Amino acid sequence: AQSVSQHNHHVILSEAASLELGCNYSYGGTVNLFWYVQYPGQHLQLLLKYFSGDPLVKGIKGFEAEFIKSKFSFNLRKPSVQWSDTAEYFCAVNGGYSSASKIIFGSGTRLSIRP
Amino acid sequence: NAGVTQTPKFRVLKTGQSMTLLCAQDMNHEYMYWYRQDPGMGLRLIHYSVGEGTTAKGEVPDGYNVSRLKKQNFLLGLESAAPSQTSVYFCASSYSTGGANTEAFFGQGTRLTVV
Repeated sequence: AQSVSQHNHHVILSEAASLELGCNYSYGGTVNLFWYVQYPGQHLQLLLKYFSGDPLVKGIKGFEAEFIKSKFSFNLRKPSVQWSDTAEYFCAVNGGYSSASKIIFGSGTRLSIRP
Repeated sequence: NAGVTQTPKFRVLKTGQSMTLLCAQDMNHEYMYWYRQDPGMGLRLIHYSVGEGTTAKGEVPDGYNVSRLKKQNFLLGLESAAPSQTSVYFCASSYSTGGANTEAFFGQGTRLTVV
C-alpha cells in the first residue's frame, strides 16, 4: 500500500534562511510525486510535481524538490524563505499508470517564518 | 472556468443527522477524491472514483458513502453523523494517474461540525 511520511511537523525559520522539508514514500512501482501548499484558510495548491525525467524538479515561488529513487525520498527545498511562505506543506504520492491508483498525502509540515 | 466547486462551505449537524456534500468539476477529469483534513493528520482519503459509475474505498471510509452517477459530480454522504466526523472535507479531481497530468485540483473545502 502507498504511504507518505513527513518527518517535520512544525518548522520555524527566520526570513532568508534555507528550507528543506523531508518526505519519504512507500510504494514499489512507478510513482508520481507532488508537493502542495496550503496557506491559512485556503485550499491546497500544487507547488511542483515529478512524474518522469529530471529528478530535480522546479516549481512555483522558487521551490524545488529532488526525487531520489534509491532513498524513496522527495524533499522540498528553497534557498531563501520569505514571510509569505508561512503555510502548511504536504507531500503526496500516487502509483502512476494504475487504474486503481489514488493520491495519498503525508501528515503535513507547518512552516512558520519569523519576519 | 470554476474548477472544483464544493457545496456547502459550512454546515453544523446534530449527532445522528444525515447530509450530502456535493462536489462538481468542470475540467472533464476522470478521477475524483474525497479527503478529510484534521489537525496533525494531514489529508486522509475517504473514498475515490476512477470514472463515472465507479467508487472505491480509501484510507478512512467508515461512516461515509459516495456516488458518481455523472462524470462531473462526486457526492459524499453521511448517513448518521457522529462528532468524530467533525472535520474539513476537501474534494479533488485529476485528469489521470499516469503521465504529466496527474496532479489533483482541490475545491475550497467544507467545514462540518457535528454536535
